[in-house]
Amino acid sequence: EVQLEESGGGLVQPGGSLRLSCAASGFVFYNSWMTWVRQAPGKGLQWVAHIKEDGAEKYYVDSVKGRFTISRDNAKNSLYLEMNSLRVDDTAVYYCARGLKATITTMDAWGQGTPVTVSS
Amino acid sequence: EVVMTQSPATLYVSPGERATLSCRASQSVSSELAWYQQKPGQAPRLLIYGASTRATGVPARFSGSGSGTEFTLTISSLQSEDFAVYYCQQYIDWPPRITFGQGTRLEVK
Repeated sequence: EVQLEESGGGLVQPGGSLRLSCAASGFVFYNSWMTWVRQAPGKGLQWVAHIKEDGAEKYYVDSVKGRFTISRDNAKNSLYLEMNSLRVDDTAVYYCARGLKATITTMDAWGQGTPVTVSS
Repeated sequence: EVVMTQSPATLYVSPGERATLSCRASQSVSSELAWYQQKPGQAPRLLIYGASTRATGVPARFSGSGSGTEFTLTISSLQSEDFAVYYCQQYIDWPPRITFGQGTRLEVK
């Protein structure tokens, strides 16, 4: 069974940092593009970042460029999102998701999400 | 950036009836279009990709159509478990910059 489990969310002050983790199991992690998607309270879905299977390519939405870093450890079947200089509008549930093999940037498996609240 | 616009924002349909949800792209995305379902408190679930290909395990009552800028998700006979929010997503951009529509909430009439 494919499983993705996020952790690391919480309450942080504006300007602070958090590191999200996503533990993957039930599939060949090193063969999959991975993605972070976020959802602000009561709002829709927003793509945050993609990372290629080997970590050699990374892509970000403009609003997080220079502040967030996506990375992965294929030996540990884990995906990460390092978030710095956090802003109030970064408040959201953050989901990690697996890219569908056929399309790489549509997501066929999702974690349950980890909430991040940026507030003073 | 490709802007995705979904309509209507809320759709009221009775169980057993057909639901038709629309998604429009600000520029052609060919068939690089996916649909997701999200229930309250849950993660999204992939329903359709390639505009019309059902994802693994998705019931046949869900179908997608369209290409270019106009797309439709049809649910042929609504079941109680289908009442949820539906999002479209384009994935044509390269380097990849996927964008989602704002969602259509499907509610019981």
